[in-house]
Amino acid sequence: DIQMTQSPSSVSASVGDRVTITCRASQGFGSWLAWYQQKPGKAPKLLIYAASSLQSGVPSRFSGSGSGTEFTLTISSLQPEDFATYFCQQANSFPLTFGGGTKVEIK
Amino acid sequence: EVQLVQSGAEVKKPGESLKISCKASGYSFTSFWIGWVRQTPGKGLEWMGIIYPGDSDVRYSPSFQGQVTMSADKSISTAFLQWDSLKTSDTAMYYCARPRSSGDDAFDVWGQGTMVTVSS
Repeated sequence: DIQMTQSPSSVSASVGDRVTITCRASQGFGSWLAWYQQKPGKAPKLLIYAASSLQSGVPSRFSGSGSGTEFTLTISSLQPEDFATYFCQQANSFPLTFGGGTKVEIK
Repeated sequence: EVQLVQSGAEVKKPGESLKISCKASGYSFTSFWIGWVRQTPGKGLEWMGIIYPGDSDVRYSPSFQGQVTMSADKSISTAFLQWDSLKTSDTAMYYCARPRSSGDDAFDVWGQGTMVTVSS
């Protein structure tokens, strides 16, 4: 199985800050990586697929990059509604696997 | 509107059986895979497996193979996740989700989740 390691596990930030979250894979797999946002009591929501493609309806302040074993999710200017937990997921091969999550908290 | 609607929360005892459901609407049920994801505070999100309702092809994660059964009923556009003998460690939130295209793609549609509590 491909192991996905996210860092940091939590980050404190203010509205307007730029936030970057990293996801590292135990083996390389091209660009088949997704990012999700999850708020308490809700299902995850797809933000980015194929490492850098923005899902329809997702604000452009979210962006993704990377390939191989290292990927990043960047929120260019944090908004109040962005305080949530973010997960990466490799979508390259079964079993698909998720990172442990990064909680973005208010500073 | 594309939607997945899951069955309600369950409270069960160890050793009991359970079948939860995920009803699809707004798209061709037999043309897309449906996956199941477990979420617990301790282990985060875990991909359990995926089923293609068109021909009932199922791919299980090795971690869940033999522990659960996935099925689908095309006549009612519903996917199911089933346990024959629950354990306390099965206590979790379970989500069904639809990949964007192929079975190993990102999930763009999610159900609201079914909370399963197993306790004596």
